[in-house]
Amino acid sequence: AQSVTQLDSQVPVFEEAPVELRCNYSSSVSVYLFWYVQYPNQGLQLLLKYLSGSTLVKGINGFEAEFNKSQTSFHLRKPSVHISDTAEYFCAVSIMNTGFQKLVFGTGTRLLVSP
Amino acid sequence: EPEVTQTPSHQVTQMGQEVILRCVPISNHLYFYWYRQILGQKVEFLVSFYNNEISEKSEIFDDQFSVERPDGSNFTLKIRSTKLEDSAMYFCASSRQMNTEAFFGQGTRLTVV
Repeated sequence: AQSVTQLDSQVPVFEEAPVELRCNYSSSVSVYLFWYVQYPNQGLQLLLKYLSGSTLVKGINGFEAEFNKSQTSFHLRKPSVHISDTAEYFCAVSIMNTGFQKLVFGTGTRLLVSP
Repeated sequence: EPEVTQTPSHQVTQMGQEVILRCVPISNHLYFYWYRQILGQKVEFLVSFYNNEISEKSEIFDDQFSVERPDGSNFTLKIRSTKLEDSAMYFCASSRQMNTEAFFGQGTRLTVV
């Protein structure tokens, strides 16, 4: 079975500072990897995904993530955050032959950006 | 921009009552999903639905749960006899194909009292 660990439940950061949200996964088979964002009172929105190819993946809103197979990690980064990035961020995996079906999520990291 | 819509946004129900959560997926999508998030816990997969039948389900999705696409536009999740532990945020999602992005709705917060 697959599992996802997001070690940080909350990450406070000042505006324009860089941020890294950590995600580690466990799986005995090859996986797809995703980051979703949830703004207050909204649904989950896909930020970026890794299916294959380049291990550095760029997503929306200036976010990027790097797939590291040896460390089973998929950390999310942004070089300079804005107040509007305040949200809950979820890392997720699925096994390759199920695509977007049956996503396994982490517990989420709340990013708090202050002026 | 097309979106997945869920109604109601919040539902309170008495323990033992049946509840139906409704979702309108994006119109040209073929795969439909339900997830739930108990407060403070992970978002968990419940079920996926394709071609009018369940394609995958989790251990959580027991006989108390059922899904239906009654009219070609709605996708519903029924909980037959609610328990306190069913209190959670329920998310509906849809995707055009199995390997394309799943779009999520805003969720329905179910409170069982």
